[in-house]
Amino acid sequence: QVQLQESGPGLVKPSQTLSLTCTVSGDSISRGDYYWSWIRQPPGMGLEWIGYIYYTGNTNYNPSLKSRVSISLDTSKNQFSLNLTSVTASDTAVYFCARAEDWGWIDRWGQGTLVSVSS
Amino acid sequence: DIVMTQSPDSLAVSLGERATIHCKSSQTVFYSSNNMNYLAWYQQKPGQPPRLLIYWASTRESGVPDRFSGSGSGTDFTLSINSLQAEDVAVYYCQQHYYLPWTFGQGTKVEIK
Repeated sequence: QVQLQESGPGLVKPSQTLSLTCTVSGDSISRGDYYWSWIRQPPGMGLEWIGYIYYTGNTNYNPSLKSRVSISLDTSKNQFSLNLTSVTASDTAVYFCARAEDWGWIDRWGQGTLVSVSS
Repeated sequence: DIVMTQSPDSLAVSLGERATIHCKSSQTVFYSSNNMNYLAWYQQKPGQPPRLLIYWASTRESGVPDRFSGSGSGTDFTLSINSLQAEDVAVYYCQQHYYLPWTFGQGTKVEIK
């Protein structure tokens, strides 16, 4: 049974960098067939895809965030990570890590972690 | 970006009745080379992550009750919940996975009348 778990600070100051890690159990992120993804959801609002990383290290990001976002892999720990720079209050959201089939639907989600941007 | 528009924003349905949610994409998500529509549906209950219900517009994910069904092609899609149960109260989202960036509809809240 694949499980994903987000971890990282729940509070980030404006202009700083938001950093989150997703630990995957029950599957290897080094295996092909999946895109390891980040999606966010501002409080009371809808879902926004942030980007994904493939096991090869290839990435794709949402153009709306591309200048500020990076996703990386740590295969030795079976983890992948999100960095979002220069955050503002509008980056306050629940951040989900997720596994997407290579066709693009998202079949496994972490529980999500709320990150608030505030001084 | 492909804009996904759901309707209605919310609906109230009596227990045992059918709920119907519509999703319209601003461009076709049908790929003629494999005859597939790159459209998925998710259910999200309060405080929980979304759950995949349907992919390829009409293929039910393993473990999803058969009262959930998806239909449509091209730019217009429908999620139907037959015989609504109390546990179906949730927000439902469509997602296109044909073009990057992947995009979601704004969500439709389903409640019990």
